[in-house]
Amino acid sequence: KNQVEQSPQSLIILEGKNCTLQCNYTVSPFSNLRWYKQDTGRGPVSLTIMTFSENTKSNGRYTATLDADTKQSSLHITASQLSDSASYICVVSREFKTIFGAGTRLFVKA
Amino acid sequence: DVKVTQSSRYLVKRTGEKVFLECVQDMDHENMFWYRQDPGLGLRLIYFSYDVKMKEKGDIPEGYSVSREKKERFSLILESASTNQTSMYLCASSQTSGHNEQFFGPGTRLTVL
Repeated sequence: KNQVEQSPQSLIILEGKNCTLQCNYTVSPFSNLRWYKQDTGRGPVSLTIMTFSENTKSNGRYTATLDADTKQSSLHITASQLSDSASYICVVSREFKTIFGAGTRLFVKA
Repeated sequence: DVKVTQSSRYLVKRTGEKVFLECVQDMDHENMFWYRQDPGLGLRLIYFSYDVKMKEKGDIPEGYSVSREKKERFSLILESASTNQTSMYLCASSQTSGHNEQFFGPGTRLTVL
């Protein structure tokens, strides 16, 4: 069964600290892997997108990595800000199919 | 900028009522999607459409129907709302070419009493 598993389910960190969110998938083959940020009460917004041949992609303080051999991706957030409090969703696409992880809920406190 | 809009941010309906959720995108995208999002379950695909008047069932189509009469508009219909359809509903659109990235609307929080 194609699955996308994210961990941790939730995370609380102090403002200014770094954190790393994990995504493991069994979707095979896949076309691309995306990380979305979803603020509370809002729709998801794309942060990064990587094809199977890419192993890192940055968007400001967000850096996504991809290991296609182990089928793992991570999203690293540097110098967290209060506005980073949100859900982060890992999404894996293959032909005609898009599979969403359940998300990691991040809370950044002052 | 791609813009996907949904007709309501919050909606409260009674059991048995017919509910229409509207979604409009302004980027001439071919594909449009309706998802529901529940805590711990992530996004689940209800229906999608790859062209005008074309529709395909997603993973959880029961209790829902859709309509795509124009390319920019995709409607989700709950024929007879039930309490287990209380959820956040998200609409998305995408182009078939390129990375197939889906662009999401702001969501509609539906409560069925």
